[in-house]
Amino acid sequence: GQQVMQIPQYQHVQEGEDFTTYCNSSTTLSNIQWYKQRPGGHPVFLIQLVKSGEVKKQKRLTFQFGEAKKNSSLHITATQTTDVGTYFCAGPGGGTSYGKLTFGQGTILTVHP
Amino acid sequence: DTAVSQTPKYLVTQMGNDKSIKCEQNLGHDTMYWYKQDSKKFLKIMFSYNNKELIINETVPNRFSPKSPDKAHLNLHINSLELGDSAVYFCASSQLFEGFYEQYFGPGTRLTVT
Repeated sequence: GQQVMQIPQYQHVQEGEDFTTYCNSSTTLSNIQWYKQRPGGHPVFLIQLVKSGEVKKQKRLTFQFGEAKKNSSLHITATQTTDVGTYFCAGPGGGTSYGKLTFGQGTILTVHP
Repeated sequence: DTAVSQTPKYLVTQMGNDKSIKCEQNLGHDTMYWYKQDSKKFLKIMFSYNNKELIINETVPNRFSPKSPDKAHLNLHINSLELGDSAVYFCASSQLFEGFYEQYFGPGTRLTVT
């Protein structure tokens, strides 16, 4: 079945440093979604990318979808303590499984003040 | 205004017991899901219902049985609980619209089996 690999598993940064997490799929994705889960919280949708080579920004967050639509990245500029949490990418489950998402393993971000 | 709610938030029980988790969404979405998140934060889909019809049934022990009485509710019943069932269970919902189907997650139910 489809797999979505995400690296790194953990990232520790000093406040103000940049952070990037990468997502790779074994197959071409029709779209990719990103979610953030705060410690003790639930995943919250951040964005969905659809087009090849697409780049979207949300304040300090920059999301990219690869030209081949097999990889994606999330970059945070000048991290803040409010950025702590686990960041997940998720791709469609494939086949006719309506709405099914296959999540990456997540990257746990820790920000030291 | 809670979009996706789950009860209970915490559930501590002994091996062999049977328990249920309830989920409700007030977003008017057609599709609801159950996910299991293990201690390493890995999120894995278990079931999905679309308009009360089971459409995703991953490799899950048949001790787990979902039930959707209507499209706003999706419950999860677990029989003969085992230690390995300890995890956080998230309910989610989504609605496909013009190719977008972001999922809205409930607050989670932390199940501890002792």
